Amino acid sequence: GENVEQHPSTLSVQEGDSAVIKCTYSDSASNYFPWYKQELGKGPQLIIDIRSNVGEKKDQRIAVTLNKTAKHFSLHITETQPEDSAVYFCAASKSGGSNYKLTFGKGTLLTVNP
Amino acid sequence: NAGVTQTPKFRVLKTGQSMTLLCAQDMNHEYMYWYRQDPGMGLRLIHYSVGEGTTAKGEVPDGYNVSRLKKQNFLLGLESAAPSQTSVYFCASGTTDTQYFGPGTRLTVL
Repeated sequence: GENVEQHPSTLSVQEGDSAVIKCTYSDSASNYFPWYKQELGKGPQLIIDIRSNVGEKKDQRIAVTLNKTAKHFSLHITETQPEDSAVYFCAASKSGGSNYKLTFGKGTLLTVNP
Repeated sequence: NAGVTQTPKFRVLKTGQSMTLLCAQDMNHEYMYWYRQDPGMGLRLIHYSVGEGTTAKGEVPDGYNVSRLKKQNFLLGLESAAPSQTSVYFCASGTTDTQYFGPGTRLTVL
């Protein structure tokens, strides 16, 4: 089955700096890659996603890049703010038919210091 | 629109007791999922459903049962709770790839 590795497990940055979280996946047939943000005591919330026919996607201060050849994708957060502090999860899915299961990375705890 | 709701929010059980966690969604989603989240382990899929009346096993199904009698509800049952089932349980629903999560249930088994 699919295996998703996520690095780093913890990341601390100063407010205003950029943060980058990287994930690799094992199944070359995976074609959907979402990122979730989980604040303390809450459920994961989808913040951005990318499909395999796109190399990069941006939404204000966050962006995701995908390298299908190398089987890795990354989350980029620019101009970080204290409210960006949370656990971030990447995931991968091989969609099609009735197979819509996500395989998650183990998460990255991002701390933005004021 | 409440999205995905979970009941209860917290529960403490003794070993061997049973309980049912309820997940409800009001977005008319076909797909529903149950995950458990443990420190350092990320989110692991327990069971899922691709439509009313269907269920399937995920990555860690042992010790759990599920039912999807109505499209909007997905129930997770523990017949005989064990301390290893102490975890935070999340329900999610979706139409295709995208999944939307509930707020979670924190379960402690003593």
